[in-house]
Amino acid sequence: QQQVKQSPQSLIVQKGGIPIINCAYENTAFDYFPWYQQFPGKGPALLIAIRPDVSEKKEGRFTISFNKSAKQFSLHIMDSQPGDSATYFCAASGRFQKLVFGTGTRLLVSP
Amino acid sequence: EAQVTQNPRYLITVTGKKLTVTCSQNMNHEYMSWYRQDPGLGLRQIYYSMNVEVTDKGDVPEGYKVSRKEKRNFPLILESPSPNQTSLYFCASSLRGTANYGYTFGSGTRLTVV
Repeated sequence: QQQVKQSPQSLIVQKGGIPIINCAYENTAFDYFPWYQQFPGKGPALLIAIRPDVSEKKEGRFTISFNKSAKQFSLHIMDSQPGDSATYFCAASGRFQKLVFGTGTRLLVSP
Repeated sequence: EAQVTQNPRYLITVTGKKLTVTCSQNMNHEYMSWYRQDPGLGLRQIYYSMNVEVTDKGDVPEGYKVSRKEKRNFPLILESPSPNQTSLYFCASSLRGTANYGYTFGSGTRLTVV
């Protein structure tokens, strides 16, 4: 059973655009929500993570928005660059619970 | 350099021929895990280990075995591979036994079973 639903499956934006990737979860015990970035031929790498005590977290051009009541969180990439082209995975976990991943979003930023 | 090392990177084998994919980490992490990545399905956990000699099934354990005799190593064993195990496999490790610490992933092993 998929516990984290991610959309869209793929996304194409122009350089400078703001791609948004959305995730929804059901388990209210989740309290840790990371995003992973994966380049072709590489393993996923932790990009940014948020806990539910805050509604937003920024690291450079990457921002997580978190809506606890709706059980949704999203990744925004400001001023996107061709080098941001990658597959992005959202994930969620809770105390004593394993990390579960969304199905991934393939992002292409065109020059 | 802190890393998770998987070998081999690519492997083509025939149905039924036993194989082992090795995984080693140099960060003294307690938690290690194996995932398979398939198009449209994301990353699905095969097995995980909270510490030495402690392993447990993930979401898709059928057809796989693991062992954790040393803290740094966590090999994935396919006793009798089948074509539906053709996939991209990742080993990951984390400092503590919960997932609330970031995972470090290996570079992956692309397995083809014919």
